[in-house]
Amino acid sequence: SQTIHQWPATLVQPVGSPLSLECTVEGTSNPNLYWYRQAAGRGLQLLFYSVGIGQISSEVPQNLSASRPQDRQFILSSKKLLLSDSGFYLCAWSPPWGPHGYTFGSGTRLTVV
Amino acid sequence: TQLLEQSPQFLSIQEGENLTVYCNSSSVFSSLQWYRQEPGEGPVLLVTVVTGGEVKKLKRLTFQFGDARKDSSLHITAAQPGDTGLYLCAASYGGSQGNLIFGKGTKLSVKP
Repeated sequence: SQTIHQWPATLVQPVGSPLSLECTVEGTSNPNLYWYRQAAGRGLQLLFYSVGIGQISSEVPQNLSASRPQDRQFILSSKKLLLSDSGFYLCAWSPPWGPHGYTFGSGTRLTVV
Repeated sequence: TQLLEQSPQFLSIQEGENLTVYCNSSSVFSSLQWYRQEPGEGPVLLVTVVTGGEVKKLKRLTFQFGDARKDSSLHITAAQPGDTGLYLCAASYGGSQGNLIFGKGTKLSVKP
C-alpha cells in the first residue's frame, strides 16, 4: 500500500532563518507531488506541484521554493523566512493518471517568530 | 480563474440531525472530490466523481453532483459527533489530472 510521510509535525523558526520541509512517498512510482498551505483551518492554496524529478511548477510567487531530487521525495525550502510564511503546510501525492484523489500527509505546523 | 464556493461556512447541529452542505463552481469541472479534515491533520478523501448527475453513498453520507457539472452537495443523515470536521470540496478543470482547486470548506460541529 502507498504511504506518505511528512516531517516535522511542528516547527518554530525565527524570522530570517532557513526552512526545509521534507515529504516522501512509498509504494508507488512516478507520483504527482504537491505542496499546499492552509491558513487558519480553511481552504488550501497550491504552492508547488511536480510531475517528475526536477520538474517543479510554481503557482504562487513567494518566498518559498521546492525541489524534487528523487522520484518520491519532495522538499519545500526557504532561504529566509518571513512572518507571513507561518501556516499549516501539507504535502500530497496523486497517481500520474487521473482522475484520482489526493493523498495528503499529516502536515507541518510552521510558526515564524 | 476558477472559483469554488462552499456554503455554509460554519454549521453547528445536534447529534441525530440531518444536514446538507453545498459546493458551487464558477466553471464546469472535469472531476470533483470531497474531503474531510480533522484539526491538525491532512484532508482525507471521501469520494471522487466524474459523471454529471451522479449520486454516491458512503454509509450516512450522500454525495450528489449536478448535471451541468458545476455544483455538488453533501448530505449527512443522523449526524454523529464523529462527523465533526472541516469538509472540503475540490475540483479539477483540466485534462485527465488537472490540478485541484479547493473550496474554503464547511466547518461542521456535531454536539452530543
